[in-house]
Amino acid sequence: AQSVAQPEDQVNVAEGNPLTVKCTYSVSGNPYLFWYVQYPNRGLQFLLKYITGDNLVKGSYGFEAEFNKSQTSFHLKKPSALVSDSALYFCAVREGYNFNKFYFGSGTKLNVKP
Amino acid sequence: EAGVAQSPRYKIIEKRQSVAFWCNPISGHATLYWYQQILGQGPKLLIQFQNNGVVDDSQLPKDRFSAERLKGVDSTLKIQPAKLEDSAVYLCASSLGTDTGELFFGEGSRLTVL
Repeated sequence: AQSVAQPEDQVNVAEGNPLTVKCTYSVSGNPYLFWYVQYPNRGLQFLLKYITGDNLVKGSYGFEAEFNKSQTSFHLKKPSALVSDSALYFCAVREGYNFNKFYFGSGTKLNVKP
Repeated sequence: EAGVAQSPRYKIIEKRQSVAFWCNPISGHATLYWYQQILGQGPKLLIQFQNNGVVDDSQLPKDRFSAERLKGVDSTLKIQPAKLEDSAVYLCASSLGTDTGELFFGEGSRLTVL
């Protein structure tokens, strides 16, 4: 069965420091991996995805994610955090068959302090 | 390009009352999803449509929840009768239906059941 784990409920980082939000996955077949961000009282916004190719994927707002097949991880990163990056982040995996179901992690709250 | 539209944004009802949420997906998107997001949790899939057919409703509480997607475009999610534990944000999302495409989410409909 497909699943996604986000081991940290919350990540705290100082503005200007690098940030990492962790995600591990379990899929049968090729993994299609996604990151979404959710601001208060808003829907989820797409940040980036890994389908194939380079293991380092670049996305919106300066975020990037590193796909690591051997560790089954897809960690979200940013070299220099902004206070405005404070939000809820969700990792998701999509099946490439069976009508393209998405499975979401439980979310990680990112707090960036000035 | 217009995004996924949802209404109403907020709804407060008493338990045992009924409520309906409406979703208009992005034009041309074949797949439509309804998710339930309880505060502090990741989105949980309730039902997934491919065009106007249901492909997954395994987690839909069918004794009280129903959904339809008329003509493969708009969709309505209904709850009748509502319970306290139905208090959540109901998110609609759509996608092209290809196996590599991301989900596009609406702003959500926040339901409070008193």
